[in-house]
Amino acid sequence: KQEVTQIPAALSVPEGENLVLNCSFTDSAIYNLQWFRQDPGKGLTSLLLIQSSQREQTSGRLNASLDKSSGRSTLYIAASQPGDSATYLCAVSWAGNMLTFGGGTRLMVKP
Amino acid sequence: EAGVAQSPRYKIIEKRQSVAFWCNPISGHATLYWYQQILGQGPKLLIQFQNNGVVDDSQLPKDRFSAERLKGVDSTLKIQPAKLEDSAVYLCASSRRGDVSPDTQYFGPGTRLTVL
Repeated sequence: KQEVTQIPAALSVPEGENLVLNCSFTDSAIYNLQWFRQDPGKGLTSLLLIQSSQREQTSGRLNASLDKSSGRSTLYIAASQPGDSATYLCAVSWAGNMLTFGGGTRLMVKP
Repeated sequence: EAGVAQSPRYKIIEKRQSVAFWCNPISGHATLYWYQQILGQGPKLLIQFQNNGVVDDSQLPKDRFSAERLKGVDSTLKIQPAKLEDSAVYLCASSRRGDVSPDTQYFGPGTRLTVL
């Protein structure tokens, strides 16, 4: 069964800290992997997309890496800010654009 | 451009009642998705439309859930009759093409359903 797991489920850090969110998946034959952000009461916003042939993608303070052989991806957030507080979701596509999501990591950055 | 619109934003019903959700995708987007997100979990794809045809509905509980996308634009998702375990946020998303990968999905704010 193709599954996506995110650990930890929740994380609290002080402002300014660099942090890493983890995502693991069971089948390495992926099309692509995406990281989304979800704010309370709002929909999802795509942050980064890594295609199966890529190893990493960067956008501002965010860097996502992909290691297909080990079935893992990490989202690195540099110099965290209170505005980064949200739930971060990892989603894998194994076929076309059908996404399988992990359970998310709820991040709180304290001032 | 306007985003994905959903209504209602909140709905409370009793079990065994019926409920319908509406989604208006971004103009010109050919593909529309419905997801169910139970509290504390990630979204689960229920159904994917390409224009007004169904691409995948393998995770849609067809004994009680139905969805349609008439004229390839707006879509409605219906639950009849509702069960307690249907309490969740129902998210609608759209993408420009859907038949090429990757194709960015844009999400609406969701409808929060509570079944009592």
